[in-house]
Amino acid sequence: DAGVIQSPRHEVTEMGQEVTLRCKPISGHNSLFWYRQTMMRGLELLIYFNNNVPIDDSGMPEDRFSAKMPNASFSTLKIQPSEPRDSAVYFCASSWTSGGDTQYFGPGTRLTVL
Amino acid sequence: RKEVEQDPGPFNVPEGATVAFNCTYSNSASQSFFWYRQDCRKEPKLLMSVYSSGNEDGRFTAQLNRASQYISLLIRDSKLSDSATYLCVVYFTGGGNKLTFGTGTQLKVEL
Repeated sequence: DAGVIQSPRHEVTEMGQEVTLRCKPISGHNSLFWYRQTMMRGLELLIYFNNNVPIDDSGMPEDRFSAKMPNASFSTLKIQPSEPRDSAVYFCASSWTSGGDTQYFGPGTRLTVL
Repeated sequence: RKEVEQDPGPFNVPEGATVAFNCTYSNSASQSFFWYRQDCRKEPKLLMSVYSSGNEDGRFTAQLNRASQYISLLIRDSKLSDSATYLCVVYFTGGGNKLTFGTGTQLKVEL
């Protein structure tokens, strides 16, 4: 199994630009999670989906962030417009359910906003 | 108060030493507990679940104290390859059916 796949692995962009991060969960997993990790705040849950439906987006920082999951094998996290404070590593993870099952993380996207 | 709190470290120990990490959680209704390991510039990976009776996996022992709301991880005979950040993770349904991660404790094992 390929595991969770994320792209791009690195993204450098300028303030104000739109950024789209992509994730392919492990086949058969029903839950998908988007996290952000920084030195200051650690790993923060942004949003998660069950069966492609957003369940909890209370961690999304503000309206500049949006996430979609159009089907069971693909999700996107979009930041528009991006700001320097959005610089972080963004992880996607998937699991069988959201009920405390083991979450399998992708390699992450390292985002730098100049 | 943070939902899950850990000493950030770093813990610098010699190879072969025994080292222990503690983690406290604030919600007494928490249901499941885990330790994840994160290597530098890598993704977190499950190290082990933590059961009420305590559990062991090779050199690693995890314990749960519900009364005091803390979780511990003991590493015996530490190896250079154990150097990583160890994340304490808690699950409770009141949190919206999601895992809550501590900020991690950094371990450095030295020769």
